[in-house]
Amino acid sequence: SAVISQKPSRDICQRGTSLTIQCQVDSQVTMMFWYRQQPGQSLTLIATANQGSEATYESGFVIDKFPISRPNLTFSTLTVSNMSPEDSSIYLCSVEEDRGYEQYFGPGTRLTVT
Amino acid sequence: GDSVTQMEGPVTLSEEAFLTINCTYTATGYPSLFWYVQYPGEGLQLLLKATKADDKGSNKGFEATYRKETTSFHLEKGSVQVSDSAVYFCALSPIRGAQKLVFGQGTRLTINP
Repeated sequence: SAVISQKPSRDICQRGTSLTIQCQVDSQVTMMFWYRQQPGQSLTLIATANQGSEATYESGFVIDKFPISRPNLTFSTLTVSNMSPEDSSIYLCSVEEDRGYEQYFGPGTRLTVT
Repeated sequence: GDSVTQMEGPVTLSEEAFLTINCTYTATGYPSLFWYVQYPGEGLQLLLKATKADDKGSNKGFEATYRKETTSFHLEKGSVQVSDSAVYFCALSPIRGAQKLVFGQGTRLTINP
């Protein structure tokens, strides 16, 4: 299975600032996904990121708040903009390997907004 | 829309007990079904999967059978260990390939020695 890394692993940020989270995969994949896991909650999909096209956002998530880049088949970034304490969550990227339909997850970025 | 409902936790068992975590789903068509596990301080790991009716997924002593007639995918293990303590998530992918995962709310399992 793909090996996925995320940076940073955790951060504490001030209200009103922005944080960019990086996701790196050790193999080329078509589909990458960004999820949010709020404290004690399940995972919710933020957006799907295809290389070479605009990300597709789920209901309740907008590009101005969560801009995503996907410059190549092994890398993506998610920015959490103009943060508020409600954005405190774990943010996870995942990939779907082209040979199948299983998704594999990165270790997550634990974000705390004060 | 598609949804997954899991047995509410937390669940606490003694070592070597039998485990069942219930999972039912609502979906149009024929989804793929998954169990993911999140060990303390770690990321989400795929535990097992099933892609069509009557398929049985298995891994690390855990099993789950895709039951289309009851729209269920219950997770079972015959004899749990302390190391199985984790949060377990049931999930579905609405159609095969390149689709988002819809997760249940998660069930926290604690195994006491």
